[in-house]
Amino acid sequence: GNSVTQMEGPVTLSEEAFLTINCTYTATGYPSLFWYVQYPGEGLQLLLKATKADDKGSNKGFEATYRKETTSFHLEKGSVQVSDSAVYFCALSEGGNKLVFGAGTILRVKS
Amino acid sequence: EAQVTQNPRYLITVTGKKLTVTCSQNMNHEYMSWYRQDPGLGLRQIYYSMNVEVTDKGDVPEGYKVSRKEKRNFPLILESPSPNQTSLYFCASSPRGKNTEAFFGQGTRLTVV
Repeated sequence: GNSVTQMEGPVTLSEEAFLTINCTYTATGYPSLFWYVQYPGEGLQLLLKATKADDKGSNKGFEATYRKETTSFHLEKGSVQVSDSAVYFCALSEGGNKLVFGAGTILRVKS
Repeated sequence: EAQVTQNPRYLITVTGKKLTVTCSQNMNHEYMSWYRQDPGLGLRQIYYSMNVEVTDKGDVPEGYKVSRKEKRNFPLILESPSPNQTSLYFCASSPRGKNTEAFFGQGTRLTVV
């Protein structure tokens, strides 16, 4: 079946550091890929998405590129802020509306 | 404001006492689903609904029931809760389609003792 694997956290960074959160997936077809973010005490919200190979999703300084050859969708940000502290979920959708999520990665940014 | 509303936000109950968690969306979305979030496991789908009166099992449906009598509401029912159902629950809705954004409620933290 379809699955998503994320790097384990927590990831702890200082403000203005570079962020990478790795995400790889297994799917039988050609899924759409998503990053969702969960701030403390809130539900998940869409951060960015990519729907086909080589697409780059971007939002709020975060980027991720759909790499079909390596089945990856790594999340990056050039300079993190304390306000980026949250849990980040990589997810895929293959047909219809169902989302398959990774385990989530906790990001902590220190000032 | 477009939103998904869940109630209650927090609930502590005893084993075997039936409970319902409500979910309502105001975006006229066809698709609604319930997830549970557990440490190290991410979110796993419990049940989903493609439209009114159309529901189906997700990946972890055991011990749960749902109904979809109206488009906006999708309650989650635990007929006889057990401690292994202690978890954080999220309701989500989205327009029908492959690449559409899912909108999540704020979550319900359930503890079964």
